[in-house]
Amino acid sequence: AQSVSQHNHHVILSEAASLELGCNYSYGGTVNLFWYVQYPGQHLQLLLKYFSGDPLVKGIKGFEAEFIKSKFSFNLRKPSVQWSDTAEYFCAVNTGGFKTIFGAGTRLFVKA
Amino acid sequence: DAGVIQSPRHEVTEMGQEVTLRCKPISGHDYLFWYRQTMMRGLELLIYFNNNVPIDDSGMPEDRFSAKMPNASFSTLKIQPSEPRDSAVYFCASSPDRGLPEQYFGPGTRLTVT
Repeated sequence: AQSVSQHNHHVILSEAASLELGCNYSYGGTVNLFWYVQYPGQHLQLLLKYFSGDPLVKGIKGFEAEFIKSKFSFNLRKPSVQWSDTAEYFCAVNTGGFKTIFGAGTRLFVKA
Repeated sequence: DAGVIQSPRHEVTEMGQEVTLRCKPISGHDYLFWYRQTMMRGLELLIYFNNNVPIDDSGMPEDRFSAKMPNASFSTLKIQPSEPRDSAVYFCASSPDRGLPEQYFGPGTRLTVT
């Protein structure tokens, strides 16, 4: 069965530090990849997505993610985090159809 | 667009009571999803509909849970009887049928069963 692994459950950074959140999936075929963000007390929002083309995807608020097919990875990055980036981040994979598998989430806390 | 609408936002009920959660998807979206989020299990897909028809309900925990979508603009998730382990945040999401599986989430219903 397909699965999504997010390696870090909790990450604590200081403002201006660089961020990289890992995401790996298990599926050998074509995938659609997503990162969603959930700010405290709010619902999930789409941060960025990859369907095809350039494997380096840019999203909102300065986030980007790189799809590395050979590594089955879709890591999320941001060069300099802000206190307002404190949230939970979910990697998600769709392998066709409309059923999407979500990772367990990574809680990011940014110290001001 | 108002986005996905869920009601109630918070529900506190006693064990054994029936609970009904409601969702209105974004107009024109053909897919509707119900998720449950807990600290222990993360975000779990319970069931999803396409054009009001249930497509995959393999995530529904047990017979106490049921979901319906009587029309394109309304869905319910019912728990009868409710148990304390059902306490969670329940999200509804919808997706347009344009071949793009990104989902738009509602604000969620925080359910507490005492």
